[in-house]
Amino acid sequence: DTGVSQDPRHKITKRGQNVTFRCDPISEHNRLYWYRQTLGQGPEFLTYFQNEAQLEKSRLLSDRFSAERPKGSFSTLEIQRTEQGDSAMYLCASSLMGSTDTQYFGPGTRLTVL
Amino acid sequence: QKEVEQNSGPLSVPEGAIASLNCTYSDRGSQSFFWYRQYSGKSPELIMFIYSNGDKEDGRFTAQLNKASQYVSLLIRDSQPSDSATYLCAVMGSSGSARQLTFGSGTQLTVLP
Repeated sequence: DTGVSQDPRHKITKRGQNVTFRCDPISEHNRLYWYRQTLGQGPEFLTYFQNEAQLEKSRLLSDRFSAERPKGSFSTLEIQRTEQGDSAMYLCASSLMGSTDTQYFGPGTRLTVL
Repeated sequence: QKEVEQNSGPLSVPEGAIASLNCTYSDRGSQSFFWYRQYSGKSPELIMFIYSNGDKEDGRFTAQLNKASQYVSLLIRDSQPSDSATYLCAVMGSSGSARQLTFGSGTQLTVLP
């Protein structure tokens, strides 16, 4: 049983560029979540999908951020016109809809915006 | 405003001692509570979850929940140097579609050999 995978693991980009991250959840999991974590803080929720439907999106999320999960399997998170403040670890988690909805995290993508 | 508060630490305990980590939350309707361990530079790793008042034990770990006091704790018995990490408390929302986790900022634990 493979866990959640994310690609790339590291991304360095220049301010103003667009970046896209991919997440592959645990195969039978139908819920997928994106979080962002900066140094010294806990992960902060960005958005979540149930199958292909995006059910929740943080009000703090800039409109430069967009996420998709077109076939209810893998998901992509795109950041347009990156800013230095976007530098963070981007974490993906997945869960199986049920009584506890326990979320398992992938290894994360570390983004550095120069 | 949903908030989860943890003592940031650092908390240092000698090897073999009991480490006690605490967490309070503001959303009284929260139903599920999770503890994650995070090593430096790595992603959070689930330790255990709890959703009923009382204690839940899993090996050397015991989670305690008191919904009336809005308080969750994690006890680590026989602490080992490999337990040195940041421990994150996470709370799942109370409304129907709110399945996202709200995290505290974590408590950094150091177990001294």
